[in-house]
Amino acid sequence: DQQVKQNSPSLSVQEGRISILNCDYTNSMFDYFLWYKKYPAEGPTFLISISSIKDKNEDGRFTVFLNKSAKHLSLHIVPSQPGDSAVYFCAASAISNAGNMLTFGGGTRLMVKP
Amino acid sequence: NAGVMQNPRHLVRRRGQEARLRCSPMKGHSHVYWYRQLPEEGLKFMVYLQKENIIDESGMPKERFSAEFPKEGPSILRIQQVVRGDSAAYFCASSPSAGGKKTQYFGPGTRLLVL
Repeated sequence: DQQVKQNSPSLSVQEGRISILNCDYTNSMFDYFLWYKKYPAEGPTFLISISSIKDKNEDGRFTVFLNKSAKHLSLHIVPSQPGDSAVYFCAASAISNAGNMLTFGGGTRLMVKP
Repeated sequence: NAGVMQNPRHLVRRRGQEARLRCSPMKGHSHVYWYRQLPEEGLKFMVYLQKENIIDESGMPKERFSAEFPKEGPSILRIQQVVRGDSAAYFCASSPSAGGKKTQYFGPGTRLLVL
């Protein structure tokens, strides 16, 4: 039972354009959502997060949107840069989790072409 | 301000041997999480520890796997009698607390290869 899904395994975008990465979840108890970026042979790097009391959070070129009714979140990167090429994971945690463990999606590989 | 540290970065073991993976959390962080990533998959939660306590081990296999976070020293994930299916990347993450902001910061991972 995959509670967090990233349905697009890969995405290719031209440099300077917008990258939109999507994530869907099924567990209505999730109240905190995060996006991580991962390069090969490295650990995930935290990018941006959003609490369920908000519907948008922005940090520089990165904006995360949360649609609770649709159980959907998205990460927008604008403008996209070649250095953004990596695998992006969305993750979620629930207030009911004793330890706030993160449930991850399967990842989306973003390729930004120069 | 050092981040989460893991060692070794790469570990090769033969079937039946033991693997020990170490994790030092970020300074000021007292909560440690271990995740496993199989090839072409997302990360899967294994265990959550605080100093000297296992809080949640619901994601960890009941046999052959154990974890500890002693009062002094790094957290250890131990895999006994490794099998080929244990080959994966093991990531450790830490956070300053379990409440409030729950961002976890990850180490570089240990890539375990079982021959």
